[in-house]
Amino acid sequence: GAGVSQSPRYKVAKRGQDVALRCDPISGHVSLFWYQQALGQGPEFLTYFQNEAQLDKSGLPSDRFFAERPEGSVSTLKIQRTQQEDSAVYLCASSFIGGDGGEQYFGPGTRLTVT
Amino acid sequence: GESVGLHLPTLSVQEGDNSIINCAYSNSASDYFIWYKQESGKGPQFIIDIRSNMDKRQGQRVTVLLNKTVKHLSLQIAATQPGDSAVYFCAEKPSGNTPLVFGKGTRLSVIA
Repeated sequence: GAGVSQSPRYKVAKRGQDVALRCDPISGHVSLFWYQQALGQGPEFLTYFQNEAQLDKSGLPSDRFFAERPEGSVSTLKIQRTQQEDSAVYLCASSFIGGDGGEQYFGPGTRLTVT
Repeated sequence: GESVGLHLPTLSVQEGDNSIINCAYSNSASDYFIWYKQESGKGPQFIIDIRSNMDKRQGQRVTVLLNKTVKHLSLQIAATQPGDSAVYFCAEKPSGNTPLVFGKGTRLSVIA
């Protein structure tokens, strides 16, 4: 079956531009997570949705980062006024179980490069 | 695809040998632990998990050991194959409604 998909796979943005990253979770998965992975590091938690409700956004690094999942399926991570330190791979994961205890299935990520 | 990690600790093993990847976790309140495998250009892939009420769990060719006394986790891969070459991350989850915390990762390189 189809896994988690993310688009675009690669994004180059000039500093100051806004970007929108899309995540299509596995159909029927309740929970959706966004992570940021810097080169050579493990993924770092950004935010978590259960259905359409954003239950935890404690990992978002600044108010330039915004995520939504309006219909409880597809999610978009938006970064406003991108900075060079935003360059990273942005990973999306989904899990079937509500709460954050279920096995998380990761997408391939979107590599964002801010020039 | 892009490289996952350029400056990670690296473990090189001969094909067919056993591999042991170690991880020190930080939070004594963590009660759930997972090992992930990440190949270049891909997202992390679940390998095996263990809860804090266990000290060992086996899967297919993989075994996870948990030592809560010293907050240490290890992943053993039997008969390592070229397809096992990847970066391996441990992740811990403190109890309650808290997110996963990933470790820094180890690159496993299998020599054919």
